[in-house]
Amino acid sequence: KAGVTQTPRYLIKTRGQQVTLSCSPISGHRSVSWYQQTPGQGLQFLFEYFSETQRNKGNFPGRFSGRQFSNSRSEMNVSTLELGDSALYLCASSSTGMNTEAFFGQGTRLTVV
Amino acid sequence: GEDVEQSLFLSVREGDSSVINCTYTDSSSTYLYWYKQEPGAGLQLLTYIFSNMDMKQDQRLTVLLNKKDKHLSLRIADTQTGDSAIYFCAERNDKLIFGTGTRLQVFP
Repeated sequence: KAGVTQTPRYLIKTRGQQVTLSCSPISGHRSVSWYQQTPGQGLQFLFEYFSETQRNKGNFPGRFSGRQFSNSRSEMNVSTLELGDSALYLCASSSTGMNTEAFFGQGTRLTVV
Repeated sequence: GEDVEQSLFLSVREGDSSVINCTYTDSSSTYLYWYKQEPGAGLQLLTYIFSNMDMKQDQRLTVLLNKKDKHLSLRIADTQTGDSAIYFCAERNDKLIFGTGTRLQVFP
C-alpha cells in the first residue's frame, strides 16, 4: 500500500507569488489535513478536508486555502507569499479523520525569497 | 486551552533506555500519539494510546499515560543510534495538537 505522497518536495518562490502544493493520501483514506512546521512556531494545524468538504480550520489568514477532489487528493494554495511562509508543509492522511491514526507524507519544503 | 509541552533535549548512551515526557492540557483528548521526525523527513507515527488505557507496549516502545496528571511518556528500550531524531507527542480531538518536540541524541 503506497504511503502519503506530497509534491513537490522542494519549492523556491518569490514574495508576492502564489504556490500550490499537492497531497495524495493513502488509498481508501478520506481525510486529509495540512500542517505548517517552522522552527519558531513548531507544528501548526492549517485545515482538514473530508469528502471534499473543509471540516476544520486553523488560525491562518485567508491567503491559505485548500480543496479536496473526489479521489481524496488535496491541494493547498498560498497566495501573495510572504517571507514568513517559508516552512515545511506536511499533509496527514487518515481514514475518517476523527480519532484514528494519522499518517504523514514527507512534506514540501517551501522557501520564499 | 490547547498546549502540549515537552522538554527540548535528551541525550542518552547507546544501549540505555530513553524516556521522553509530555504534558497536555485537554482532558477530552481521546487519542495521544508519538511521532518521530528524522532530518529532512516527515513525521513517522510510532505509536498511540487510547485515553482509557494506562500503558501500551510495542516492541522496544512503552507508552505510559497518567490521565489524572495529563502526563504521557515514551520509553525506548535499548536505545540505538538510529533512534536519534526529534520526537513529538500529540493530542487529538478534532485536530492534532503537537508538542514542541524533544531532540534525542544517542551517543556511543
